[in-house]
Amino acid sequence: EDQVTQSPEALRLQEGESSSLNCSYTVSGLRGLFWYRQDPGKGPEFLFTLYSAGEEKEKERLKATLTKKESFLHITAPKPEDSATYLCAVQAYETSGSRLTFGEGTQLTVNP
Amino acid sequence: DGGITQSPKYLFRKEGQNVTLSCEQNLNHDAMYWYRQDPGQGLRLIYYSQIVNDFQKGDIAEGYSVSREKKESFPLTVTSAQKNPTAFYLCASRNRAKSYEQYFGPGTRLTVT
Repeated sequence: EDQVTQSPEALRLQEGESSSLNCSYTVSGLRGLFWYRQDPGKGPEFLFTLYSAGEEKEKERLKATLTKKESFLHITAPKPEDSATYLCAVQAYETSGSRLTFGEGTQLTVNP
Repeated sequence: DGGITQSPKYLFRKEGQNVTLSCEQNLNHDAMYWYRQDPGQGLRLIYYSQIVNDFQKGDIAEGYSVSREKKESFPLTVTSAQKNPTAFYLCASRNRAKSYEQYFGPGTRLTVT
């Protein structure tokens, strides 16, 4: 069974204080690992897809990396508008319908 | 603008009533998905459909039903058999030929009392 564990559950940062969110996964053959951002009361917004260990993707202050067991979402010099819940999901090669398995998310708060 | 719409944003129902949540997309995506989100839990898959007139159960299909008569539409019915229907419901879609990522609608918050 595919499993995704995100840590920490919640993270408070001061504006400009860089940090990382962790996503550990267990999957029988990783097809892809996905990061989403979710604001309160809204649907998740797609950020990145990572396919193989060593791959990195960047968007503004966010950088996602992937190893064989985990992914990190690095946030550099965050701003208050980066406050959101960040979700990680995995997809296995043998998954019917390309379904995703989600972690519970990390709630990030960036204080001004 | 292409996207996924869900309506209504908020829905209130009495226990014992069936209710249908709407999901429409104009992205020309062939695959569509329904998830449920509860506080402190990850998104859980209810049903998914890869082509018109075909759909499969996800992990928590009991008490729910779907139809896929048109490519653009994938309505979800929450029946009276669903024991804990109060939740945030999210619809997603994917272009099977192009990518693996799913794109989500804005969600419907259902409250059953």
